Amino acid sequence: GAVVSQHPSWVICKSGTSVKIECRSLDFQATTMFWYRQFPKQSLMLMATSNEGSKATYEQGVEKDKFLINHASLTLSTLTVTSAHPEDSSFYICSAGEAGQFFGPGTRLTVL
Amino acid sequence: KNEVEQSPQNLTAQEGEFITINCSYSVGISALHWLQQHPGGGIVSLFMLSSGKKKHGRLIATINIQEKHSSLHITASHPRDSAVYICAVRRSYNTDKLIFGTGTRLQVFP
Repeated sequence: GAVVSQHPSWVICKSGTSVKIECRSLDFQATTMFWYRQFPKQSLMLMATSNEGSKATYEQGVEKDKFLINHASLTLSTLTVTSAHPEDSSFYICSAGEAGQFFGPGTRLTVL
Repeated sequence: KNEVEQSPQNLTAQEGEFITINCSYSVGISALHWLQQHPGGGIVSLFMLSSGKKKHGRLIATINIQEKHSSLHITASHPRDSAVYICAVRRSYNTDKLIFGTGTRLQVFP
């Protein structure tokens, strides 16, 4: 199946700093990518839909100024957590593909 | 009430047992996905179904559109099958988003 990568796989940062997470489709072009977050033992929660060449569509309750999404090419979407706080610590996962069924391996963010 | 419900929430089994995980949904869908998430976090798509039945190795997935119900079966279960299994559906009228069930945590003991 198609491959989606994420970088970094884990990151630890200090409160107040910004963290960028990359999501790449390695062997196909993705006009749409999806960003999710997952808290321990909970299901995935869709944060936003990333659209190549246009603004992302954010889900209700997700702060677009805090979670900046850029989809500058057909193979790369980035999620930047700005001014991170400990409550932003979570597992962030992206997906891509015609049905969004190809998931990246996830990025575990820990904010101290 | 969640639009996608899974049962059971937790499941333990002995190696070799036949396992069934159920998924019920309350919305019209264009497709249903079964996903597997291992403890490390990575998610693998096992099946995408819109009707009938699919089989891959020891895994079988079925869907009954009229009853809005799907099942995932694992035959001859093995400890390496231990993972969280997630059912997700794509609505008929909104093809962008997946709606996820809460997952079934499976542990298979040797």
